[in-house]
Amino acid sequence: SQKIEQNSEALNIQEGKTATLTCNYTNYSPAYLQWYRQDPGRGPVFLLLIRENEKEKRKERLKVTFDTTLKQSLFHITASQPADSATYLCALGGRDDKIIFGKGTRLHILP
Amino acid sequence: DVKVTQSSRYLVKRTGEKVFLECVQDMDHENMFWYRQDPGLGLRLIYFSYDVKMKEKGDIPEGYSVSREKKERFSLILESASTNQTSMYLCASTGGGLDTQYFGPGTRLTVL
Repeated sequence: SQKIEQNSEALNIQEGKTATLTCNYTNYSPAYLQWYRQDPGRGPVFLLLIRENEKEKRKERLKVTFDTTLKQSLFHITASQPADSATYLCALGGRDDKIIFGKGTRLHILP
Repeated sequence: DVKVTQSSRYLVKRTGEKVFLECVQDMDHENMFWYRQDPGLGLRLIYFSYDVKMKEKGDIPEGYSVSREKKERFSLILESASTNQTSMYLCASTGGGLDTQYFGPGTRLTVL
């Protein structure tokens, strides 16, 4: 069955450093991959989308890579700030409009 | 600004009650989704709808039903609420294809 894995442990990063979150998947060939941010008690908010034929995407301090051979995406936040503390979800999209979400990684940026 | 709204942020119900959770989107999106989110289990898809009066089962439809009488509104119904349905319920919509899911703020339902 399809499986998405994100770091189950919380990630603690010092302010100003780069935070890197990992999303691995198996038994799936996604057409695209998305990253969402979720704050406590709120719905997820879309951040970035990367297609299967793209290697890297950037948006301000965010960078996403997508390696379909390794079946892995990396999500980077450079010059991290305490306001970046949240749970980050990766999601895989197929060609059928359905999206499968990972369980998320909690990120803490320490001042 | 796009918006997905849900009828309640917090809801407390008794076991056996019929529960309605409503979701409205103002983006004229075709696709709407209902998820539940539990610690350690992530987001799980309950039902989704591609069009008015159409519905498809997601991964965990048991104990739930849905209704989509109008394009902008998608309702989740718990016919007889049980304690294991205590959860955060999230509604989302998309325009289809390579599109982002726009989520509502969520309804935290507690069944006593």
